[in-house]
Parts: sequence; C-alpha cells; structure tokens
Amino acid sequence: AQSVTQPDIHITVSEGASLELRCNYSYGATPYLFWYVQSPGQGLQLLLKYFSGDTLVQGIKGFEAEFKRSQSSFNLRKPSVHWSDAAEYFCAVGAKTSYDKVIFGPGTSLSVIP
Amino acid sequence: KAGVTQTPRYLIKTRGQQVTLSCSPISGHRSVSWYQQTPGQGLQFLFEYFSETQRNKGNFPGRFSGRQFSNSRSEMNVSTLELGDSALYLCASGPGQPSTEAFFGQGTRLTVV
Repeated sequence: AQSVTQPDIHITVSEGASLELRCNYSYGATPYLFWYVQSPGQGLQLLLKYFSGDTLVQGIKGFEAEFKRSQSSFNLRKPSVHWSDAAEYFCAVGAKTSYDKVIFGPGTSLSVIP
Repeated sequence: KAGVTQTPRYLIKTRGQQVTLSCSPISGHRSVSWYQQTPGQGLQFLFEYFSETQRNKGNFPGRFSGRQFSNSRSEMNVSTLELGDSALYLCASGPGQPSTEAFFGQGTRLTVV
C-alpha cells in the first residue's frame, strides 16, 4: 500500500532564506509524486509533479523538487522564501493502477518571519 | 477552462441531519475523488468515481456515500451527521483513471452543531 510521510509538522523560516520540505514515500514501484500548497480555507494547488525522466522537477512560484529513488524521497526546495509562501504544503503519491489512489502526507505548515 | 466547482462553500447542519455536497469537475475530466480534511486527521480519502462507478473507497462508515452522474458531476451524502463530521470536504477531478493527478476545488466547509 502507498504511504507518505512528512517528518516536519511545522517549519519557520526568515523571508529570503532557503527552504527545504521533506517527503518520504512508500510504494512498490516508481511512483507519481506531487507537491501541493494550501492557503487557509482554500483548496489545494498543484506546485509540481514527477512522473518520470529528469529527477529534478521545476514547478510554479519558484519551487523545485528532487526525486531520489534510493532514499524514497521527494523533497521540495525554494532558494529564497517570500512572505506569501506561508501556507500548508502537502506531498502526495499518485496512482499507477486502478487499485491505487492519490495519498497525501500529513502536511507541513510553513511560517515566514519578515 | 473552468476549475473544479464545489457547492455550497459553507454549510451549517444540526447533529442527526443529512447533507449533500456537490462537485462539478473540470470539463473533460471523468474521475472525481472526495477527501475529508480535519486539523487532527489531515487529508483522508473518502472515495473515487470514474465513469459513474466507484473505483476506490476509503475507511469511512456507511453514513458517507457518493455517486457520479453521466456528465461526471458528483455528489457526496452524509447521513445522520455527527459533530465529528465537521470538516472541509474537498473534491478533486482528474483526467483519467487511475487518478494520476488531482485538481482540487475550494472545498465545502461543513459545520455540525
């Protein structure tokens, strides 16, 4: 069965500092991987996705993520955080077969200090 | 292209009542999934529909049910509401099945009093 863990429940960074949010997954094959962002009271917006190919993927809002098969990880990074990046971030594993479903991690709450 | 539309956005119901939430997927999308989001439990998968058939179901009691219509619009129903059903209910649509990707609506905030 698929599973996703996000070890950090809450992270606080200063505006302008770099950011890395961790994500580890469990899946029997190379998964489809996603990062979503959620602002308070809103739905989830897709930041980026990995299906295959280049293990470093670029997304919207200056985010990138790197798929590392050996570590079963898909960490999200941003070189310089803006105050507007404060939100909840979710890593997800997608479905490759009819028996799977999109499974989300517990989320990491990001606070940005001016 | 319009996004995923969920109605209503906010709902207040009394314990014991039932409620129906609606989701209109992105045009052309045939897969619709429902999630319950609460502060304590995070995002939990409820069920997924594709071409009017339930393909996957999460670990929720039978009070939670859903359906999908021929135009891919979906509804979910919760009967005999409990206080613990208070949550943000999110609908996501996808281009195919399995759900390789999910596009979310803004959710319906259900409060049970």
